[in-house]
Amino acid sequence: DAGVIQSPRHEVTEMGQEVTLRCKPISGHDYLFWYRQTMMRGLELLIYFNNNVPIDDSGMPEDRFSAKMPNASFSTLKIQPSEPRDSAVYFCASSFGTGNYEQYFGPGTRLTVT
Amino acid sequence: GQQVMQIPQYQHVQEGEDFTTYCNSSTTLSNIQWYKQRPGGHPVFLIQLVKSGEVKKQKRLTFQFGEAKKNSSLHITATQTTDVGTYFCAGLKTSYDKVIFGPGTSLSVIP
Repeated sequence: DAGVIQSPRHEVTEMGQEVTLRCKPISGHDYLFWYRQTMMRGLELLIYFNNNVPIDDSGMPEDRFSAKMPNASFSTLKIQPSEPRDSAVYFCASSFGTGNYEQYFGPGTRLTVT
Repeated sequence: GQQVMQIPQYQHVQEGEDFTTYCNSSTTLSNIQWYKQRPGGHPVFLIQLVKSGEVKKQKRLTFQFGEAKKNSSLHITATQTTDVGTYFCAGLKTSYDKVIFGPGTSLSVIP
């Protein structure tokens, strides 16, 4: 298995632009997580899905952020409009379950908003 | 809400010295996981502890879960440059809850 796949690996955009991050989880995993990592705030859970259904989006910072999982093999995290403070590394992770199972992280997308 | 804290935030050691990072929760945990993130990389799962007082070893790494299931530690014996990275603990309140990651301890090893 190729592991969790994320694209793009790097994204540089201007403030106000729409940004879409993509994730393909490991086949067979039914949980998918989106995290944001910054020096100031560490690793933050934004949202997670179970069987393509959003379960907890309490970590989504504001309405500018949205996430979808149209099928078991694909998820997107969208920021519209983007702001400089959104600059961070965004990780997608997948697992067989929530807390009792290890999470497999993707390589991350480094987002820079200028 | 549930909080998971880690100390120290940073640790610089000479190669060959031992290293310990501590993880503390404000609430009793169902289990705790440890992850390692190399510089520029992504978190990678190391181990999960479930039982009160549990101790697990992986080569030079020793993981311990406290008796009250509110704290945990990771000890590395005789550090090597390959141990460089950030070590995160992630606590879980119940089996059906989401894990809460601590802020991590960044380890630097001076050759």
